[in-house]
Formats: sequence, C-alpha cells, structure tokens
Amino acid sequence: DTAVSQTPKYLVTQMGNDKSIKCEQNLGHDTMYWYKQDSKKFLKIMFSYNNKELIINETVPNRFSPKSPDKAHLNLHINSLELGDSAVYFCASSQVRSSGGSTDTQYFGPGTRLTVL
Amino acid sequence: AQSVTQLDSQVPVFEEAPVELRCNYSSSVSVYLFWYVQYPNQGLQLLLKYLSGSTLVESINGFEAEFNKSQTSFHLRKPSVHISDTAEYFCAVSRTSGTYKYIFGTGTRLKVLA
Repeated sequence: DTAVSQTPKYLVTQMGNDKSIKCEQNLGHDTMYWYKQDSKKFLKIMFSYNNKELIINETVPNRFSPKSPDKAHLNLHINSLELGDSAVYFCASSQVRSSGGSTDTQYFGPGTRLTVL
Repeated sequence: AQSVTQLDSQVPVFEEAPVELRCNYSSSVSVYLFWYVQYPNQGLQLLLKYLSGSTLVESINGFEAEFNKSQTSFHLRKPSVHISDTAEYFCAVSRTSGTYKYIFGTGTRLKVLA
C-alpha cells in the first residue's frame, strides 16, 4: 500500500487556469506538508497542517490555498496559474511530537509535475 | 534562522570508489540533521538522521554521516558506491523545538559511473 499518494502525477495546463492537487496519507500521521521543488531541484516548504490546523504558511502567494478536510488529506488548490508555478509539488507527512521540533521522518509522496503553458 | 549549504551540486564517482557529500549548516539554536535521497522521478526518502547521542549515524545501505558541532557539518560518506546509488541527495535541518519545519539544502547529484 502506498503511504503517501498524490494525484495527478502530471498536470499540464494553461496560464490563468485553476487547478487542484490531492494528497492522501494512510500512515495515521497528524502532520502534512506541501513542498515546491523548482527546476534546479531546490525544495522549499509551502504549508504544513497539524490535525487539520494550519501551522506553517510560508511566503506563498495567496493564489495557493491548502485545504485539509481531515488529517489524512491535504489538498492544494491553485488559482490563476502563472508560468512560474511550473514545478514539482510534493506532499509529505510525519508524526510530530506535541513539544514541537521534528524528530520524525517525513514521508514524501511521488510528486506532481505541474507545467503551466 | 537556519540555513543549509551543500557545496557540491554534482559529484561524479566511479563504481566501488568512496564518496563524500558535504553539508554545512548554520543555526543559532540546536537542530536535528537529516539526509534524504531522491531517486529519479520519485519522492524523497529518509536515508539517516542525527537527533542526539553518538555523532556517527549509519543507514541500512552502507551510508554514514558524522555530526560535527564545532564545524557545523554533517557530511555523508560511503566507502564503496554502486550504480544504484545514483540519485539526488538532500541535507536538511530542523529545530529541536518550536517548529515542524525542515530547511533543505540545494541537493547534490551523485552520479556513479561504471
């Protein structure tokens, strides 16, 4: 069974469109993340949810809106797509201690390659 | 704030040769340290991590990394690489409290040559 799954795997769309990427984890983790990996492989966190509550929101344009319907799912909706949004988006999850700090392994999904034309 | 520097963007090495991938970090607070590996067209997988205790940590596939606090380094080594080790390797840090965030380095592409 896949621990962290993402759909779709590839997404090709025109500028200005709105699109969503879905993520699901079956590990029973409390915390989920979205990362963006650019063409130079640089990996940067975008958002993190803990038990459906937003806990990390980096300086991401508000065209990006994460939604967590339950702690096993974290979806990413992107409005008015721009060329610069082209990247690979990774979802991840981990079990984080209540004291904070992240000692636990983050489990990554296979990624969604978004291409904006 | 924390930062991670991986000085080498690419490291070519012949099969069965040793390799070292360098990672230096900067932080004003105590951190945990991680190495992740990304095989082509896949997500990242944890290779090894340093939380506390012995400064030398090992992975199940022959990699090891040593935490050096005075040099703020966490270099990854393997005494003999295989073709299958060809991948992107990312060093990351996380504060020991107060946040769940990882800061990743820019990655080092290890290419093992036959």
